Amino acid sequence: DIVMTQSPDSLAVSLGERATINCKSSQSVLYSSNDKNFLAWYQQKPGQPPKVLIYWASTRESGVPDRFSGSGSGTDFTLTISSLQAEDVAVYYCQQYYSTPYTFGQGTKLEIK
Amino acid sequence: EVQLVQSGAEVKKPGESLKISCKGSGYSFTSYWIGWVRQMPGKGLEWMGIIYPGDSDTRYSPSFQGQVTISADKSISTAYLQWSSLKASDTAMYYCAKVAMAGDWFDPWGQGTLVTVSS
Repeated sequence: DIVMTQSPDSLAVSLGERATINCKSSQSVLYSSNDKNFLAWYQQKPGQPPKVLIYWASTRESGVPDRFSGSGSGTDFTLTISSLQAEDVAVYYCQQYYSTPYTFGQGTKLEIK
Repeated sequence: EVQLVQSGAEVKKPGESLKISCKGSGYSFTSYWIGWVRQMPGKGLEWMGIIYPGDSDTRYSPSFQGQVTISADKSISTAYLQWSSLKASDTAMYYCAKVAMAGDWFDPWGQGTLVTVSS
């Protein structure tokens, strides 16, 4: 299985400031034949199911605010929220869909400082 | 609108069997994989497995292989997750989710089914 490790486990950021969450995979999730990284980011707010924010490591899902961005390639990835809003308080997960089982990171809890 | 609607919360005793459901609508049910994800209380997401309703091809996580059964009835656009003998450690929220049209991430998700196993 590919192991996904996120850092930090929790993060407190002031409103309007930048939040950065990292995700590292135990092996590359870059598929060389199409040059795509098989990596998604999800947001889960309390009492709700997760919602996809980013796929192919950097493609924003329709309707997701442009303050959310994804970057990285191979084994190291980052989710950035450029200017934190109150509604961004949530737990964020990365997931690889390169090979089954399509494993998730352990999650990063984002709070307001 | 693509929607997944899951069955309601369950309270069971250890050793009992259970089958929970996930009904898809708004898309061709037989053409997209559906998966199940476990979330134990206060914990993260665990990918359990996926099924392709068109031919019932199923892939399990090794962590869940032999512990649960994933199935689907394409005639009623419904996927299932079942246990033959529940344990207290099966207490969790279980989500179904449809694999996206352009890749194997999950989108959308069902609302979740809370399973509580307690004597």
